[in-house]
Amino acid sequence: EPEVTQTPSHQVTQMGQEVILRCVPISNHLYFYWYRQILGQKVEFLVSFYNNEISEKSEIFDDQFSVERPDGSNFTLKIRSTKLEDSAMYFCASSGLERTDTQYFGPGTRLTVL
Amino acid sequence: EDKVVQSPLSLVVHEGDTVTLNCSYEVTNFRSLLWYKQEKKAPTFLFMLTSSGIEKKSGRLSSILDKKELFSILNITATQTGDSAVYLCAVGNFNKFYFGSGTKLNVKP
Repeated sequence: EPEVTQTPSHQVTQMGQEVILRCVPISNHLYFYWYRQILGQKVEFLVSFYNNEISEKSEIFDDQFSVERPDGSNFTLKIRSTKLEDSAMYFCASSGLERTDTQYFGPGTRLTVL
Repeated sequence: EDKVVQSPLSLVVHEGDTVTLNCSYEVTNFRSLLWYKQEKKAPTFLFMLTSSGIEKKSGRLSSILDKKELFSILNITATQTGDSAVYLCAVGNFNKFYFGSGTKLNVKP
């Protein structure tokens, strides 16, 4: 069964460093999302992406964040200068032809900022 | 402000019990409501609901949406210890989904 994959599973970085989280969505999906979940808190929407551009972004998704689909298969989230409060589990999700299609989540990347 | 509220926040039952989890929402431009099960890591999909009054079923799980009263319920019958998890409700608004805080279900043997 097709699945969303994410790498790395765990990333440890120093405050102020740049990180890139990678996702490979399900191959025929067209809509891509990033969410984050701070430990013990709810899943929060960050950004959605369609047709090579951002469809919508939340207040959390400030200038420190960017997304890219560099090669037609990968979908990346970059945090330019990490802060302690960026420590969280970051989930990538994708969905198919319709915006309301089921979103399938990847296993997540745990980001720890020291 | 758009929001999704789940209740109860946590629930402890014994195997064989039936549970009902609630999700109410206030989201502009509502398009769909999704239920997920989150055990250790990523949420896994259970149901997507877009129309009122149509029950979705999968084994012992079922769910229904009321778009007039703006809520959904998730029922689990004959619970098993493997049902222990956090159950998440998410409501879709075009390109954005809002998640509730989840209901933590603990099923004891």
